[in-house]
Amino acid sequence: SQTIHQWPATLVQPVGSPLSLECTVEGTSNPNLYWYRQAAGRGLQLLFYSVGIGQISSEVPQNLSASRPQDRQFILSSKKLLLSDSGFYLCAWSRWEGSYNEQFFGPGTRLTVL
Amino acid sequence: SQQGEEDPQALSIQEGENATMNCSYKTSINNLQWYRQNSGRGLVHLILIRSNEREKHSGRLRVTLDTSKKSSSLLITASRAADTASYFCATDANYQGSNYKLTFGKGTLLTVNP
Repeated sequence: SQTIHQWPATLVQPVGSPLSLECTVEGTSNPNLYWYRQAAGRGLQLLFYSVGIGQISSEVPQNLSASRPQDRQFILSSKKLLLSDSGFYLCAWSRWEGSYNEQFFGPGTRLTVL
Repeated sequence: SQQGEEDPQALSIQEGENATMNCSYKTSINNLQWYRQNSGRGLVHLILIRSNEREKHSGRLRVTLDTSKKSSSLLITASRAADTASYFCATDANYQGSNYKLTFGKGTLLTVNP
């Protein structure tokens, strides 16, 4: 069976510090990978998605970046965090089944920027 | 802009009652999905309805889709305290190159009181 891991679970960082969040998927190959951010009491905002190694699509211009160094590894980074980067970050994977795209979510990382 | 918008934003009911949540969207879609999120956790897929379907059932869940009105509803029958969660609709737009992405609404927070 497939599993998706995210770490860390919780992170408190000062403004201006760097960020690295990691997501890995097990039990599947060549998944589509996604990073979302969820502000408190809000819906999900798609940040990045990737359909293959080294292929990253950015949805929202901001000070975040994403990389996919391996097939089942997706990393979200920032060189300098802003207060507005606080939120709940969710990684998800999917496999295009020909006509639909069901996504499977990780447990999330709660980021607080102080 | 958001593709899906849930209504109401919050719903509080007693155990045993039915809960109905609605979702509206703006562009034509391939499929519409409903997800559930327990507080502080990742999202879990509940049910998918294709654009050529009008109604679908899964256990205590009933989903309807009206493509002419660009709306969907999720009915949870005989609710339980464990159904307390946020519920999101998600759509994938029906145009080339978009099938990898889902657009989520802001969600409905359902509270089921014992």
